[in-house]
Amino acid sequence: AQKITQTQPGMFVQEKEAVTLDCTYDTSDPSYGLFWYKQPSSGEMIFLIYQGSYDQQNATEGRYSLNFQKARKSANLVISASQLGDSAMYFCAMKPDSWGKFQFGAGTQVVVTP
Amino acid sequence: DAGVIQSPRHEVTEMGQEVTLRCKPISGHNSLFWYRQTMMRGLELLIYFNNNVPIDDSGMPEDRFSAKMPNASFSTLKIQPSEPRDSAVYFCASSTSGGTGELFFGEGSRLTVL
Repeated sequence: AQKITQTQPGMFVQEKEAVTLDCTYDTSDPSYGLFWYKQPSSGEMIFLIYQGSYDQQNATEGRYSLNFQKARKSANLVISASQLGDSAMYFCAMKPDSWGKFQFGAGTQVVVTP
Repeated sequence: DAGVIQSPRHEVTEMGQEVTLRCKPISGHNSLFWYRQTMMRGLELLIYFNNNVPIDDSGMPEDRFSAKMPNASFSTLKIQPSEPRDSAVYFCASSTSGGTGELFFGEGSRLTVL
């Protein structure tokens, strides 16, 4: 069975600072993908970044980077140089490559302050 | 390109009424997912289809819920009879087997059952 854990229900970060959002997962599948999504107050779900379980390098997309530690089963999202528009709920998700369930964590609410 | 299209965006109904939510996935995507989002339970996977075939419906709360995908471009989620505890935002999402396989979400259908 898959399980995604996000232990930080909410956090504050100052503008221009970096923030790390924690995500740990558990799966018995040998090959899987890890994803992060952003949900602003308007409600839409926005895909941010992807990491494959066999990727050797950590994924980066602009100000987003994924700190992937396979042995520890963690896939933390790092947002550098936070902006006010980064205030949102952030979800970690996992999907086995073998057409398994796309499972989401509980989310972390980020508030960026001036 | 058109994204995932859901209708209605908002639905207010009375307990006991039938509710039908509709989804048009992105053309060419072969997987479709229905999620329910509430404050208490977060994002719950209700059911997902692969090539129009239901693969896993273990997340469907009870027999009042049913989902169909008669063809590659249309899916419905039906609640009959509806209850106040069904009030939530229902998201439809689609993905493809190629690339990273990330989910593309619709804007959601906000259901309120009085």
